[in-house]
Amino acid sequence: DIVMTQSPDSLAVSLGERATINCKSSQSVLYSSNNKNYLAWYQQKPGQPPKLLIYWASTRESGVPDRFSGSGSGTDFTLTISSLQAEDVAVYYCQQYYSTLLFTFGPGTKVDIK
Amino acid sequence: EVQLVQSGAEVKKPGESLKISCKGSGYSFTSYWIGWVRQMPGKGLEWMGIIYPGDSDTRYSPSFQGQVTISADKSISTAYLQWSSLKASDTAMYYCVRRGALLWFGELFPQAFDIWGQGTMVTVSS
Repeated sequence: DIVMTQSPDSLAVSLGERATINCKSSQSVLYSSNNKNYLAWYQQKPGQPPKLLIYWASTRESGVPDRFSGSGSGTDFTLTISSLQAEDVAVYYCQQYYSTLLFTFGPGTKVDIK
Repeated sequence: EVQLVQSGAEVKKPGESLKISCKGSGYSFTSYWIGWVRQMPGKGLEWMGIIYPGDSDTRYSPSFQGQVTISADKSISTAYLQWSSLKASDTAMYYCVRRGALLWFGELFPQAFDIWGQGTMVTVSS
């Protein structure tokens, strides 16, 4: 099984500042047939279901603000919020969907306002 | 609008059985995998299993194999998650999810979980 880890567990960032979350997979999630990384990022606000933010490691889902960006390849990935807004307070999860019909999430990173 | 609508909250006693539902609308229900995700109180997301309503092909996370049963009735665009004997440790929020699919340069590629249900809270307590 592919194990996902995230760091930090939580972070507090001032409004308008950058927030960076790291995600690491225990094996590569780069799919050779299309050269895409099968890595997604989700945002879960309090009391709400998670929402898909980014897929293929760096492609924003429709409607997601461009202050959210994803990067990385192979086993190491990053979610960046370029200018934190109050509405971005949430827990963020990475997920691999490389394994055929076996999905794993990272443990989550909580983002708060400093 | 593409959406998944789940059944309401449940309160059960240990040992009781339960079946919760997830109804899809706004898309071809038989063409996308539907999965289930558990979130225990104050904890993270755990993928439980997934079903293809078109042919009922079902896969389970090793952690949940034998603990739950996933099924679907394509005639009413509904997927189910069921327990035969609940435990207190089954207390959690359960989400159904759609695994997306993206047409890219003429080829269909599986995607992440693009649609989430609103969640069903299951509480098991004596």
